[in-house]
Amino acid sequence: AIRMTQSPSSLSASTGDRVTITCRASQDVSRYLAWFHQKPGKAPQLLVYAASTLQSGVPSRFSGSGSGTDFTLTISGLQSEDFATYYCQQYYSYPYTFGQGTKLEIK
Amino acid sequence: QVQLVESGGGLVKPGGSLRLSCAASGFSFSDHYMSWFRQAPGKGLEWLSYISSSGDSLSYADSVKGRFTISRDNAKNSLYLQMNSLRAEDTAIYYCAVRYDSGSLDDYWGQGTLVTVSS
Repeated sequence: AIRMTQSPSSLSASTGDRVTITCRASQDVSRYLAWFHQKPGKAPQLLVYAASTLQSGVPSRFSGSGSGTDFTLTISGLQSEDFATYYCQQYYSYPYTFGQGTKLEIK
Repeated sequence: QVQLVESGGGLVKPGGSLRLSCAASGFSFSDHYMSWFRQAPGKGLEWLSYISSSGDSLSYADSVKGRFTISRDNAKNSLYLQMNSLRAEDTAIYYCAVRYDSGSLDDYWGQGTLVTVSS
C-alpha cells in the first residue's frame, strides 16, 4: 500500500494567517491526490482533487500544488470556519490511503 | 441532491456480526462504484472496500479481508457491509461514499454510523 505522510500533525494559527500543510507519498501517485477537511462530528469534505483543482464551492483562499510524491495545501487568509482537521488522500491505486491528518487550531 | 444515509451500527460483542446499510438518493446509484470507509475514535480515515456498479468487482483492505463483505442492491439503491468476526479494533464510525467524474470530481459521504465492539 502507498503510505501518505502529512506534516505537521498539528498547527496553531490566527485568522488571516497563511498556512501550508505538506503531504508526501511513498511512491509516485502522479496527480491523483485529494485534500479533505473534517470538522468534529462531521464527515470529511473534499476540498481539492487532482492535486490542484478546487472542488466546486471551495473558496479561492485554498490552493493545492504538487505532483509525483510531494504535495502541499495552502490556505491564504485563514477564516474561522477553516479550523478543522485536514487529510490528504491518494487515489492513484487501491487501497486508497490517507495521511494521518493535520489538526489546524486557533492560536 | 445526493444523500447517503448509513444505518445498522450499534454495540456488538467481540466475535459478533453486524450488517450496515447505506441508502442512496439523488444520483444514478446503479451507474457508480460505491465505497466504505471508517474512522476509529480520535483517529484518521481508512478505506475499507469498494464495489463496482454491477457488483462484479470487489476489493477490500487487508484489515477486513475475509471478515467483511460488501454488496449492493441496485433495485433498492442500497449498499451493504456485512461485518463478521468483529474485533475491538473495528470500533469506528463507518461511512459509505461515492465518487464520480461529472466533469468535475464529485465526492459524497454519508453522516456515518457508529460501530462499537466491546464485551
